[in-house]
Amino acid sequence: GAGVSQSPSNKVTEKGKDVELRCDPISGHTALYWYRQSLGQGLEFLIYFQGNSAPDKSGLPSDRFSAERTGGSVSTLTIQRTQQEDSAVYLCASSPGVGSNGELFFGEGSRLTVL
Amino acid sequence: GDSVTQMEGPVTLSEEAFLTINCTYTATGYPSLFWYVQYPGEGLQLLLKATKADDKGSNKGFEATYRKETTSFHLEKGSVQVSDSAVYFCALSDQGGRRALTFGSGTRLQVQP
Repeated sequence: GAGVSQSPSNKVTEKGKDVELRCDPISGHTALYWYRQSLGQGLEFLIYFQGNSAPDKSGLPSDRFSAERTGGSVSTLTIQRTQQEDSAVYLCASSPGVGSNGELFFGEGSRLTVL
Repeated sequence: GDSVTQMEGPVTLSEEAFLTINCTYTATGYPSLFWYVQYPGEGLQLLLKATKADDKGSNKGFEATYRKETTSFHLEKGSVQVSDSAVYFCALSDQGGRRALTFGSGTRLQVQP
């Protein structure tokens, strides 16, 4: 498709279970970002991939969170042993990369609810 | 570190009223500044941007001027419409765009007919 695609759009899980969220960026975009949007909060940066460089993981809140990007395209965000405070909308964005003047193209998000 | 501070919402206005949403920032170097908008049920999208001091970004009747002396990038619109109801996020990009954007907490705008 033409835009950033995320799946699932909604995920309900039980506390302690692992979840995987998928992001398919715009074709040709070398930069990929994950953000978290909690109810009533702003966007919290999680992780940033740029081409073949080592990802910037400085925003991951704990070691239960990890992400990978295979083949420079699709990315998966994994949350292990989910907690109720992980409930949020997880947003993925992509951009053409360095020199794009910072415009990000966002997906519609994956809403995670941990019971 | 970098940070962005926005006025808290919600902001409730009548149609055709004047809108100002305040945004101030803290950053090293010379950041680029952005306003993103999130309409109900949709993903965030870029509204406007400015890449250097005194630049004015504009789109869809919205404007914001990059003020280095006051480290501000306030969003304005002269006459809001119901269709402008959304959440507005101020953001900055530092280090030449080699890092992820830093976003403010967002301001919800509700425009009543």
